[in-house]
Amino acid sequence: EAQVTQNPRYLITVTGKKLTVTCSQNMNHEYMSWYRQDPGLGLRQIYYSMNVEVTDKGDVPEGYKVSRKEKRNFPLILESPSPNQTSLYFCASSPNQWGSTEAFFGQGTRLTVV
Amino acid sequence: QQPVQSPQAVILREGEDAVINCSSSKALYSVHWYRQKHGEAPVFLMILLKGGEQKGHEKISASFNEKKQQSSLYLTASQLSYSGTYFCGTEGTSYDKVIFGPGTSLSVIP
Repeated sequence: EAQVTQNPRYLITVTGKKLTVTCSQNMNHEYMSWYRQDPGLGLRQIYYSMNVEVTDKGDVPEGYKVSRKEKRNFPLILESPSPNQTSLYFCASSPNQWGSTEAFFGQGTRLTVV
Repeated sequence: QQPVQSPQAVILREGEDAVINCSSSKALYSVHWYRQKHGEAPVFLMILLKGGEQKGHEKISASFNEKKQQSSLYLTASQLSYSGTYFCGTEGTSYDKVIFGPGTSLSVIP
């Protein structure tokens, strides 16, 4: 089954404790991205990757890092989480740069930083 | 620049129709529509490309007016399963990334 898998689904952590949210897709997609979703703001892009070893900042990249060492995986790293990073996070993948293609989203990770 | 969606929220009774609008201040190449049910991931509905072609699937259709830089999503004879938040995403060119609007919450009640 074609899917994007994120882990964990829920995470509560303390300020400053490094964490990683994993994302994996099994569709051989080139393009992957991370979004955060906050009430009233919709989905805002954090980082994206056009292919292996090619990543770039989205609209709200501060406080986040990513890596793309393999085509299927695109982890999101918070080196020193802060309470304002409490949010619902989604990973998405699509065959290539958006254009006329649909995106497939993971199930989301609800992160709480206390 | 984030597109604007209207209305912010709408409540319908089963069988009623609804229109959700998405507008941008800049020229558009495409508009994407997604639906997100509570607690779930956004799911793709359709993409409309520059050219104004209306698309549809069963009772959900959409139009794209590139001159007005806006798109409308039409939900006909709504069903309970239509409840959720609808997002539009816009691209200025085929190489731009998609920027999502804030969403429209739609609730269908019996």
